[in-house]
Amino acid sequence: DSGVTQTPKHLITATGQRVTLRCSPRSGDLSVYWYQQSLDQGLQFLIQYYNGEERAKGNILERFSAQQFPDLHSELNLSSLELGDSALYFCASARTDSYEQYFGPGTRLTVT
Amino acid sequence: GDSVTQMEGPVTLSEEAFLTINCTYTATGYPSLFWYVQYPGEGLQLLLKATKADDKGSNKGFEATYRKETTSFHLEKGSVQVSDSAVYFCALSEHLGTGRRALTFGSGTRLQVQP
Repeated sequence: DSGVTQTPKHLITATGQRVTLRCSPRSGDLSVYWYQQSLDQGLQFLIQYYNGEERAKGNILERFSAQQFPDLHSELNLSSLELGDSALYFCASARTDSYEQYFGPGTRLTVT
Repeated sequence: GDSVTQMEGPVTLSEEAFLTINCTYTATGYPSLFWYVQYPGEGLQLLLKATKADDKGSNKGFEATYRKETTSFHLEKGSVQVSDSAVYFCALSEHLGTGRRALTFGSGTRLQVQP
């Protein structure tokens, strides 16, 4: 158990809908990262937050957004969903100055 | 941009066989290097890491050495077990600025160990 929690574990929704994925980092970790794992694209970095502020962006679509709240949990919002958004979405957290990222169990999103 | 190349899988071995999974990288600076493991139905677990050239990371019998001259970080284990069956990801992390350290992953290598 990494100490990073993600909810829900599974999510099934229809095209055009909007969903919110939630991540709680390990106690004391200030950085939260979001990654997408799909069969065709592999594991891709989406976005990073540090202590409530956006710090880095990767291959995140404009239909996707995220935020980190004062209690340091983070949410990833996916809107106007398409079939191709079906994937595993992982959250990872890290200490301020450490390269070590600890991953949550992931949320499996299925868009039908 | 940064990239990581791993050997194609699946790799199928018998129990107690020697394992090597090749990983090479391209980076503009001096990245840290990692191996993560993903067991079926689970998230990624950090297996080992190396932060500078010639560092050797090791954990649970697995080892990898950061080779700057060949830009490689090959994963090895002397004697695999059935319980090592999983997908292994090589990754690098560049320091982009204060607190900015996104991981770039390879495509993953599936290891199947047969009894």
